[in-house]
Amino acid sequence: GAGVSQTPSNKVTEKGKYVELRCDPISGHTALYWYRQSLGQGPEFLIYFQGTGAADDSGLPNDRFFAVRPEGSVSTLKIQRTERGDSAVYLCASSYWTAPNEQFFGPGTRLTVL
Amino acid sequence: LAKTTQPISMDSYEGQEVNITCSHNNIATNDYITWYQQFPSQGPRFIIQGYKTKVTNEVASLFIPADRKSSTLSLPRVSLSDTAVYYCLVGDKEGRRALTFGSGTRLQVQP
Repeated sequence: GAGVSQTPSNKVTEKGKYVELRCDPISGHTALYWYRQSLGQGPEFLIYFQGTGAADDSGLPNDRFFAVRPEGSVSTLKIQRTERGDSAVYLCASSYWTAPNEQFFGPGTRLTVL
Repeated sequence: LAKTTQPISMDSYEGQEVNITCSHNNIATNDYITWYQQFPSQGPRFIIQGYKTKVTNEVASLFIPADRKSSTLSLPRVSLSDTAVYYCLVGDKEGRRALTFGSGTRLQVQP
């Protein structure tokens, strides 16, 4: 079946703009995770959904970042008033709730804030 | 929170066995040890997971001593395509805590 998909693959925006990044998880996966990865670093956890609700949003760096998963499938990560420091690859992953450590990652969205 | 420590980089040659050791001194009873592989411009890929002793799949083996304070990922007969970053993680078996990736081990396989 299809893997995790993310759109867009690349996003270039200007400082101060608003962006939305989309994640389509694997069908049947109830858990969905957002990470971001800077060059040379491992992925950094942002938020985790179990179904429609955010089970853990402790990784969101500040209130400019927000994520939703209204129907328990597709998720959108929203970043307001983007800053140059937000530039990174944003990764989405999904898993079965019974195997939370076996996550399937998408290819990521490369966000560049000019 | 169990922190993991692994070498920053390793070099090997095609056909050799590669062993990457990770230490996790503060591992909790409910924690599983999980390894991921990441190629450039791709998301990480789950390789293997274990709790104790030895686990083997078609890709790798994972050795975990009785005290579980370390683990070793073993890649048999590596090829150039195994050049990647390998992450060792400790995760709660019920996912009550987010996975924490470190900087990983950058494995370079030479011809």
